[in-house]
Amino acid sequence: NAGVTQTPKFQVLKTGQSMTLQCAQDMNHNSMYWYRQDPGMGLRLIYYSASEGTTDKGEVPNGYNVSRLNKREFSLRLESAAPSQTSVYFCASAGYEQYFGPGTRLTVT
Amino acid sequence: EDKVVQSPLSLVVHEGDTVTLNCSYEVTNFRSLLWYKQEKKAPTFLFMLTSSGIEKKSGRLSSILDKKELSSILNITATQTGDSAIYLCAGTWGDQKLVFGQGTRLTINP
Repeated sequence: NAGVTQTPKFQVLKTGQSMTLQCAQDMNHNSMYWYRQDPGMGLRLIYYSASEGTTDKGEVPNGYNVSRLNKREFSLRLESAAPSQTSVYFCASAGYEQYFGPGTRLTVT
Repeated sequence: EDKVVQSPLSLVVHEGDTVTLNCSYEVTNFRSLLWYKQEKKAPTFLFMLTSSGIEKKSGRLSSILDKKELSSILNITATQTGDSAIYLCAGTWGDQKLVFGQGTRLTINP
């Protein structure tokens, strides 16, 4: 039982490059989330998925897209990375409580 | 707009002190309030509160929700250096959305 896994752990992109952050959970949770965390800003919700086949915008969705591929997987895509997207990204899934993945540290130069 | 606000943003105390962290929320269709502790990596779950006035306790940590005041507090008694962390509170809404406050950075000095 791995909980919530995220890949990659670290990534450096140049402005304009694209990439997909992968997230998977093995707890059979319906709800999954993507957050970004910047210093002094807490965790800000980018997108969430209340169930397989549905996705909704959170507080800061601009510049991101998501796919809920199946119940286990929820990916986050940056189509054209910008320096403002430099952050630590956390994926989470929720049943009674919310479990977080280990995070991806992304730097955009 | 759904919003969660924490105070203070930063707190420095001596080992053995008792601290109280605050969380207030503005919501539509509120369901529950959660507290997390974040050290160097991902946040770890502490408490989920759904009913007003019922204290949840785990060791030296306790928390209570006041739905009339739209707020919650997290108390830590007899603090230890290992309690140093960022404490996050978050509100859940009817559509499963979870929104976090900015966090309180707690530093316990020996």
